[in-house]
Amino acid sequence: QKEVEQDPGPLSVPEGAIVSLNCTYSNSAFQYFMWYRQYSRKGPELLMYTYSSGNKEDGRFTAQVDKSSKYISLFIRDSQPSDSATYLCAMSRNSGNTPLVFGKGTRLSVIA
Amino acid sequence: DAGVTQSPTHLIKTRGQQVTLRCSPKSGHDTVSWYQQALGQGPQFIFQYYEEEERQRGNFPDRFSGHQFPNYSSELNVNALLLGDSALYLCASSFFRTGGHDGYTFGSGTRLTVV
Repeated sequence: QKEVEQDPGPLSVPEGAIVSLNCTYSNSAFQYFMWYRQYSRKGPELLMYTYSSGNKEDGRFTAQVDKSSKYISLFIRDSQPSDSATYLCAMSRNSGNTPLVFGKGTRLSVIA
Repeated sequence: DAGVTQSPTHLIKTRGQQVTLRCSPKSGHDTVSWYQQALGQGPQFIFQYYEEEERQRGNFPDRFSGHQFPNYSSELNVNALLLGDSALYLCASSFFRTGGHDGYTFGSGTRLTVV
């Protein structure tokens, strides 16, 4: 079993839809959880960064972490064609310069 | 303010050859981490350099080696290339002392194709 599981999709939604992306993980030592967006031919760009369980909101994006279920989610409200990208979840045991463990990424297309 | 710069952008090598990839960190950053991202996969941690030393290493063979220079730039070297080394190689920089993951900045990567 991989440490981090993420459905690779692809996921296709109409513009304005609410998008739900999620990851599960097996290592209970993970405490820091991130969502990255990666456009084609580009490096990952940090979207959301959360510590331990709970919710965090930033504009149209909401990240949720449920450590008891080892499950994290990213919600995108009012999705736009510019949101079309690959979304990667990532996590680590400690802050600082601890290596990140990534999911496979979910490819999202938002259709105008 | 320049972000993380990687060169070259694309590279084609023959199996068995050696390759060197380069990374200049974001201004103010002193730590460089390298990741390998195979097609359709998430990035996998190779190693991290700080103060010109390898500080942490992922599950990669010693064909993968690196170096960090006094100006914090870094090189990733891969010897005896295999077809399976074909991937996007990403460099991420951070500031060691306060380096939370929100301070991690990725470059656009070098696309290596081994034929």
